Amino acid sequence: AQKVTQAQTEISVVEKEDVTLDCVYETRDTTYYLFWYKQPPSGELVFLIRRNSFDEQNEISGRYSWNFQKSTSSFNFTITASQVVDSAVYFCALSGPAAGNKLTFGGGTRVLVKP
Amino acid sequence: KAGVTQTPRYLIKTRGQQVTLSCSPISGHRSVSWYQQTPGQGLQFLFEYFSETQRNKGNFPGRFSGRQFSNSRSEMNVSTLELGDSALYLCASSLMVSETQYFGPGTRLLVL
Repeated sequence: AQKVTQAQTEISVVEKEDVTLDCVYETRDTTYYLFWYKQPPSGELVFLIRRNSFDEQNEISGRYSWNFQKSTSSFNFTITASQVVDSAVYFCALSGPAAGNKLTFGGGTRVLVKP
Repeated sequence: KAGVTQTPRYLIKTRGQQVTLSCSPISGHRSVSWYQQTPGQGLQFLFEYFSETQRNKGNFPGRFSGRQFSNSRSEMNVSTLELGDSALYLCASSLMVSETQYFGPGTRLLVL
């Protein structure tokens, strides 16, 4: 069975601080995909990033960066120099063939960026 | 390119009624998935359709059903509504199965 755990339920920071969101996953698939989605108050889930399980190279995209470590089954996400507009709930998700490629979500981490 | 659209955006029903929600995927996307989001259970997978066929179904009672049309548009239906069906229902589309899913704005259903 697939499982995604986001231990942090809420994080509060002051603008321009960095925010790191933790994500730990479980899967029996050897090939799988990991995602981060953002859900602002409007409710729509906005796709941020996707990583293939074979690609452990960590990257930076603008103010976003991620740290994928297969050895510890973690897929952490960092927002650098946070802004008020980053306030939202962030979801880590996993998909793989064992579960029919559906998305399995973590419980989400609410990020509050104060001015 | 227009994103995923869902109608209606808000809906109020009473227990025992039925409801139909509609989803139009991104142009060219052939896979449509539905998810239910509640404060208690979080985001849960309902079902996935590809080429008018249900490929995968989540752990929901038979009151929840769906279908996909030849133009990839999808509908989901909930019969005999219960209070616990109050939720945000999100539709997502992807180019193919296992590709990145892009979500619509959701339909907020309130069952009284």
